[in-house]
Amino acid sequence: QVQLVESGGGVVQPGRSLRLSCAASGFTFSDYGMHWVRQAPDKGLEWVAVISYDGSYKDYADSVKGRFTISRDDSKNTLYLQMNSLRAEDTAMYYCAKAEEKYFPHWGQGTLVTVSS
Amino acid sequence: DIQMTQSPSSVSASVGDRVTITCRASQGISSWLAWYQQKPGKSPKLLISVASSLQSGVPSRFSGSGSGTDFTLTISSLQPEDFATYYCQQANSYPLTFGGGTKVEIK
Repeated sequence: QVQLVESGGGVVQPGRSLRLSCAASGFTFSDYGMHWVRQAPDKGLEWVAVISYDGSYKDYADSVKGRFTISRDDSKNTLYLQMNSLRAEDTAMYYCAKAEEKYFPHWGQGTLVTVSS
Repeated sequence: DIQMTQSPSSVSASVGDRVTITCRASQGISSWLAWYQQKPGKSPKLLISVASSLQSGVPSRFSGSGSGTDFTLTISSLQPEDFATYYCQQANSYPLTFGGGTKVEIK
């Protein structure tokens, strides 16, 4: 069965960096596009970034463009999100999600990022 | 960007009630729409894709309809496990966008 396990969250000061990881199993990772979606405390869902199955296509929400970078390592079945210049408004639960078309049938349990001084 | 507007933002209902949630896209998205259910402290669960296609294992009391800009999620007979927050999501183009959510609460 598909399993997605995020890690790397924590408390970080504004302006600092953090890298999230998402370990995938139960499917052929290199065949699928992958996404990051976030949810601020008691708020709705916000799509963050996508990477295609082969890494050739990447796209970002305007709110993170130029600060966040999505990448993947198919040899490790792992998705990453490098987050730089973090802001208070980046505080959220970050989920990785396996894409089928542009739908999300599989989600991880999330990793919490808190940006605070 | 395509804006997704859900209504109502919350609804109080009783077990057995029929509940309808609507989602409107700011421009036409054909049938590229999904519905998710999220319970407190849990990840979202995909219920419906392509506007009306029920995911495997999702009870038949859930149904979706619509195309273009106007969509509906209907729960035909609300069950205790259905109290949750529901989100629509457009899958037409990037950036992907979600509706603001509809919280279904116990009356």
